[in-house]
Order: sequence, then structure tokens, then C-alpha cells
Amino acid sequence: EIVLTQSPGTLSLSPGERATLSCRASQSVTSNYLAWYQQKPGQAPRLLIYGASSRATGIPDRFSGSGSGTDFTLTISRLEPEDFAVYYCQQYGSSLPWTFGQGTKVEFK
Amino acid sequence: VQVLESGGGLVQPGGSLRLSCAASGFTFSIHAMTWVRQAPGKGLEWLSTFGGSGATTYYADSVRGRFTMSRDNSKNTLYLQMNSLRAEDTAVYYCAKNNDFWGGYFDYWGQGTLVTVSS
Repeated sequence: EIVLTQSPGTLSLSPGERATLSCRASQSVTSNYLAWYQQKPGQAPRLLIYGASSRATGIPDRFSGSGSGTDFTLTISRLEPEDFAVYYCQQYGSSLPWTFGQGTKVEFK
Repeated sequence: VQVLESGGGLVQPGGSLRLSCAASGFTFSIHAMTWVRQAPGKGLEWLSTFGGSGATTYYADSVRGRFTMSRDNSKNTLYLQMNSLRAEDTAVYYCAKNNDFWGGYFDYWGQGTLVTVSS
């Protein structure tokens, strides 16, 4: 099983600041099949990034993903008020079970 | 694209429950579909994926042998039969559409249905 470890657990920032979220895999993720999701309280997760760096439909370009192999990053270039949420990474490669990281909460500073 | 879960509720330990997920807005039969759950205050846990028509079903170890996923492509509906329920199965259960036939990432999610296992 591929274990995904996200850091930090909580990120305290202000609107307009840059957010950098990390996701580290215990072994290489096949073909960089790594996705990022955003979840707000009481809501379902929403797909942000797939294939490590491709933005999903309708996702603003302030969200970007990068990385390969075992180290991946989600960057929010300038935080908007609606971006304060929990973010999860997930691997969907050939290694079952498909797994999620434990989440990073981006909160108001 | 829309996916809508139903069937959650309160069930006693050892009991059974069947969840449904009605899908619309896409060609249901050619997409894998997935169940993910989230225990109260916890993270996301992948449970099972059913590939497109005739494809394989995959399960997490935590539910294999107790949960059975099925789909009715004529009704654009996904099911999760949950047996031998335990307190630790208490969670919001989400249905999600996969981006391709065999699996892949989850591009659309339902709003979830709450399952509570308690006496």
C-alpha cells in the first residue's frame, strides 16, 4: 500500500498569501497518477488537479500542481477567501488500494 | 454531471444496509464508479471501484467480504450492499464518478449519505 503523507497538517495564512502544500508517497506513484481535492465543511470533495499537474475543469489558474515520483506539491498562488478548506492528495496508479493523504487544513491566520 | 446517493440511516451493529447512487449527465456504462467514505472528523477512505460494463470490482481490505458493489447500467445506478456493519463503519459515504473505464481519478462526487452504526 502506498502511504501518502501530507505536510503541514495545518497552514495558517492570510488572503493574498501563497500556500504550498506537500504530499510525499512511500513509493513511486505510477505515471504520476496523483490528484488533489478540496473539501469545505459539510461539502463533498472537489477535484482540483489530476495527473500531478493538470487542472480540472473550471479550476482557477491560481491552483497549480507539480512533482513526480514520490514528491508532489499543490500551490495556491494568492489565497482567496473561498480557498480556506482542507486539501487531500490521492494516488490512483496501478498500486491498489488507492489511497488518500490525511489532509492539510488551510486556515485563516 | 450529477451523482446522488441515498439509502443511509441508522442501523444496529451486525445489520445490513444498501446504498444507491443515481447518476446522470454522462454515459454511465463506460465509466468506472467508486465509493469513498469519511468517518466523522476524519479523512477520506477509498472503499471500492467498479469498472465500466463487465470490468473488475476492487475493494479495500477494510470492507472486502462484507461490502458488495454492483451497478445497473440500464438504470444508471450504482449500489453498495453493506453487511455485518460495525461501529467503525459509521461515516458519510460518497459516490464518485471515475474519469475512465478502468478507474482513474474521481472527477464528480455526490453530496454523500450518512450511515450510523449504533445500538
